[in-house]
Amino acid sequence: AAGVIQSPRHLIKEKRETATLKCYPIPRHDTVYWYQQGPGQDPQFLISFYEKMQSDKGSIPDRFSAQQFSDYHSELNMSSLELGDSALYFCASSGPGTDKSGYTFGSGTRLTVV
Amino acid sequence: LAKTTQPISMDSYEGQEVNITCSHNNIATNDYITWYQQFPSQGPRFIIQGYKTKVTNEVASLFIPADRKSSTLSLPRVSLSDTAVYYCLVGYTGGFKTIFGAGTRLFVKA
Repeated sequence: AAGVIQSPRHLIKEKRETATLKCYPIPRHDTVYWYQQGPGQDPQFLISFYEKMQSDKGSIPDRFSAQQFSDYHSELNMSSLELGDSALYFCASSGPGTDKSGYTFGSGTRLTVV
Repeated sequence: LAKTTQPISMDSYEGQEVNITCSHNNIATNDYITWYQQFPSQGPRFIIQGYKTKVTNEVASLFIPADRKSSTLSLPRVSLSDTAVYYCLVGYTGGFKTIFGAGTRLFVKA
């Protein structure tokens, strides 16, 4: 079965650079969620989109922005990168009929800021 | 969103049954209880979800008492590969964010 696809898997950026992370949800899923997980920490909710509109917002820095496109894929844009942004970034998706099966997470993008 | 409290870590041995209890005292009427498993450097993986009483699937059971203020994830006959972090989440599955609390780090020993 198709899963949530995230790209790239690994990304190395320098401080103050910009990064773009992509997420392709499971087909027919209309909701995308972004999470950040620092080393040894629990996942922190950043932002979510439903039907291409922002649906909820968590602890997302102002330097970050995200959107969901007409094909339901989503991109997380991160500017003025800081060392503390180094983390695993997970995307999850859900859609009609997934109420009893939770969210499906991708394998994540590991961002390293040097 | 209801806050959850779980043990920080647990140890077990292969072949034993492991029960991880989660407290969620202010769970709302339309909230479901969902458990996820996470291995290092991987995304969380759905294990089981329930609303009340008992739910069982091929990998785990979930026990929820009548007041729903807690829940217990039961893993039968754990193996070394069950070593992971387990998260209990409470929320409305139709909502748009799921908040992860501090999970339980399960260590299964040979």
